[in-house]
Amino acid sequence: NAGVTQTPKFRVLKTGQSMTLLCAQDMNHEYMYWYRQDPGMGLRLIHYSVGEGTTAKGEVPDGYNVSRLKKQNFLLGLESAAPSQTSVYFCASGMGETQYFGPGTRLLVL
Amino acid sequence: AQSVTQLDSQVPVFEEAPVELRCNYSSSVSVYLFWYVQYPNQGLQLLLKYLSGSTLVESINGFEAEFNKSQTSFHLRKPSVHISDTAEYFCAVIRSGGSYIPTFGRGTSLIVHP
Repeated sequence: NAGVTQTPKFRVLKTGQSMTLLCAQDMNHEYMYWYRQDPGMGLRLIHYSVGEGTTAKGEVPDGYNVSRLKKQNFLLGLESAAPSQTSVYFCASGMGETQYFGPGTRLLVL
Repeated sequence: AQSVTQLDSQVPVFEEAPVELRCNYSSSVSVYLFWYVQYPNQGLQLLLKYLSGSTLVESINGFEAEFNKSQTSFHLRKPSVHISDTAEYFCAVIRSGGSYIPTFGRGTSLIVHP
């Protein structure tokens, strides 16, 4: 039982490049979330999903897109990366009120 | 909508001393309350939560938090901290009976000195 895993762990991008972050969970959770964590800002919700095939915007969705084609996977895409998207990205999943977090992806956009 | 305020961004303390990390929330409806802990270079882990019942909740590693509805607070306490408690602590709320979308505070960095 791996819990929540994230791929990749680290990535360096140039401005304008695109990439996809993958989140996978093996707990059969309905809800999945993408957050970004920046110093002094805490966790901010980017997008979330309440079930397979559904997605919804969170607090800071601009510049990101998501897809939930399979219940166990939640993809976060950056179509044209900007330096302001340099951050640590966390995925989480949950069935009820408690969330289970992945280890994070550290992204640097130059 | 709800909001969470963690009043201290950083709390330095000596080993074996008591500590309190403060959390206040604002909500027009009933909420569930949580404390998550983030050790260096890791994701967040649930430390403890209040859903209903006894207003005092405890974790397995000696932390406790008390839900105070009149003061809209959920402060985290430990009577004697260890070096291993050094971490970032996040308070969070979820609207009870609604969708499971939490609001997190900005975090408090607990730094335990030997």
